[in-house]
Amino acid sequence: KQEVTQIPAALSVPEGENLVLNCSFTDSAIYNLQWFRQDPGKGLTSLLLIQSSQREQTSGRLNASLDKSSGRSTLYIAASQPGDSATYLCAVRDGAQKLVFGQGTRLTINP
Amino acid sequence: DTGVSQDPRHKITKRGQNVTFRCDPISEHNRLYWYRQTLGQGPEFLTYFQNEAQLEKSRLLSDRFSAERPKGSFSTLEIQRTEQGDSAMYLCASSLDFREETQYFGPGTRLLVL
Repeated sequence: KQEVTQIPAALSVPEGENLVLNCSFTDSAIYNLQWFRQDPGKGLTSLLLIQSSQREQTSGRLNASLDKSSGRSTLYIAASQPGDSATYLCAVRDGAQKLVFGQGTRLTINP
Repeated sequence: DTGVSQDPRHKITKRGQNVTFRCDPISEHNRLYWYRQTLGQGPEFLTYFQNEAQLEKSRLLSDRFSAERPKGSFSTLEIQRTEQGDSAMYLCASSLDFREETQYFGPGTRLLVL
């Protein structure tokens, strides 16, 4: 059974810092990995999707990497801003169509 | 592109009542998913449709839960004889098909069972 873990559960950093969020998964046989952000009480916003054949994806200040063999992904956020404060979730799609989510990292950017 | 929409956004009901939620996916998206999220946890998969066919169901989806997507467009999720443990955010997502697998989520329906 696929399990996804995100560390740390919460992170607080000053504005302007670069930061890394971690995601690990137990079964390396995945089709893709997706990063989302979720604001309090809201739905999920897709940030990046990495196919299993890819190593990384970039969108603006965000860069996601994937090391399938070791079961790890990182989300790098450059020059953090208070508007980046949210919960970040990673999810993997394995043999089925469903996504298996981690519990998320709650990020706070302090002005 | 109006995104995925869900209705209602909030629902308060008494234990034992039936509730129904609606999801309208992004136009032309063939795949539709339902997830459930409780406080402080990541979403958990409930069920998946490819067009009108329900192809996957989680063990979380007890006999009290039923989902439909009658014409391959909008979907409904019904919970019969609600229990307090059903209180959660119910999220709907859609994706195009094998060519574009990004799942786009709606705002969710927050259910509170008293």
